[in-house]
Amino acid sequence: SQQGEEDPQALSIQEGENATMNCSYKTSINNLQWYRQNSGRGLVHLILIRSNEREKHSGRLRVTLDTSKKSSSLLITASRAADTASYFCATDERGGSGNTGKLIFGQGTTLQVKP
Amino acid sequence: EPEVTQTPSHQVTQMGQEVILRCVPISNHLYFYWYRQILGQKVEFLVSFYNNEISEKSEIFDDQFSVERPDGSNFTLKIRSTKLEDSAMYFCASTRWREYTEAFFGQGTRLTVV
Repeated sequence: SQQGEEDPQALSIQEGENATMNCSYKTSINNLQWYRQNSGRGLVHLILIRSNEREKHSGRLRVTLDTSKKSSSLLITASRAADTASYFCATDERGGSGNTGKLIFGQGTTLQVKP
Repeated sequence: EPEVTQTPSHQVTQMGQEVILRCVPISNHLYFYWYRQILGQKVEFLVSFYNNEISEKSEIFDDQFSVERPDGSNFTLKIRSTKLEDSAMYFCASTRWREYTEAFFGQGTRLTVV
């Protein structure tokens, strides 16, 4: 699989439920980020977790990072219909002096939250 | 809140024509990027740009592509001779720092090559 693979590809839940999305990657990273994309729109940054962090919270978002398994998860608690969007993980690879800050994106998870 | 702006939002062009996609990054940002997203696929890195030169480019970014920061505010992506497979959403992004920093993305330009 490629860097930043995510599962599930699609997730449909009821409003109020929690949504969990997973991401796996292959190389060493500086950090891992999650972005949200509404249909046909730009990417909006949600949260960044550094490689030396294990968990981070921001509002209803909780991100975990397991560098030994090269995986991350994004949990959205108490979901709302407005959370309906695609969610992408993106890794900032560790590359020494050659690190240019480019992001490698996963395939994304499409989340539908039904009212 | 500062934002990255891209123009046009949608461009239709004939195969073989040149197109220029324009971006205005956030004013105090130093690092600039172009990404593209073919419909239904993931976002792919094209090129990074810092200090008026390309710092990294992907295999996609061949000789048909070029980037420029002509006036200190705009950041452009030029495709010299468009192909059908260049049809995609193109996103510009900028960051303040090189590492450990969120990227701010524009709303994208949807390029359709016919």
